[in-house]
Amino acid sequence: GENVEQHPSTLSVQEGDSAVIKCTYSDSASNYFPWYKQELGKRPQLIIDIRSNVGEKKDQRIAVTLNKTAKHFSLHITETQPEDSAVYFCAASTHAGGTSYGKLTFGQGTILTVHP
Amino acid sequence: GAGVSQTPSNKVTEKGKYVELRCDPISGHTALYWYRQSLGQGPEFLIYFQGTGAADDSGLPNDRFFAVRPEGSVSTLKIQRTERGDSAVYLCASSLTGGGYEQFFGPGTRLTVL
Repeated sequence: GENVEQHPSTLSVQEGDSAVIKCTYSDSASNYFPWYKQELGKRPQLIIDIRSNVGEKKDQRIAVTLNKTAKHFSLHITETQPEDSAVYFCAASTHAGGTSYGKLTFGQGTILTVHP
Repeated sequence: GAGVSQTPSNKVTEKGKYVELRCDPISGHTALYWYRQSLGQGPEFLIYFQGTGAADDSGLPNDRFFAVRPEGSVSTLKIQRTERGDSAVYLCASSLTGGGYEQFFGPGTRLTVL
């Protein structure tokens, strides 16, 4: 089955700096890669996702890059703010034939702390 | 509109007892997933429903765990003879079949087995 590794486990940055979180996956059939943000005691919330037919996607201060050959993808947050502090999870799934079904395999999470 | 809801938010039980956890998906979402999240870990897949049927239950850890979705909407996760190792947050997610891949998560039920 799929295995997703995420690094680093903790990341501390100063407000305004950039933060990068990296994930690798094992199953070459995986074709959907979402990133979730989870605040303490809250539900995971999707912040950005990418499909395997795209190499990069950006949404304001957040971007995700995907390298299918190397089987890794990364989350980039620019101009970090204290409210970006949370746990971030990457995940991977396989959607066969364009179906919406795909159980997510999550990484272990990265605790991001942005210091004012 | 309303998001995914789960009840109860917290459940404390004693070892050996039976518990039921409920999930109300977003209206119209035919795909429903259960995940389990242990402290400091990412969610782990348990089971997936497409409509009323369990299309993939490969993540259920053993036969003490069972889930149903009799009318294709609300789902109940049932755990028999609970063990201390079952303590975790149980998350439910739903998605719109054919409408994209995003899974919307509920707030979870924190289960504590004493």
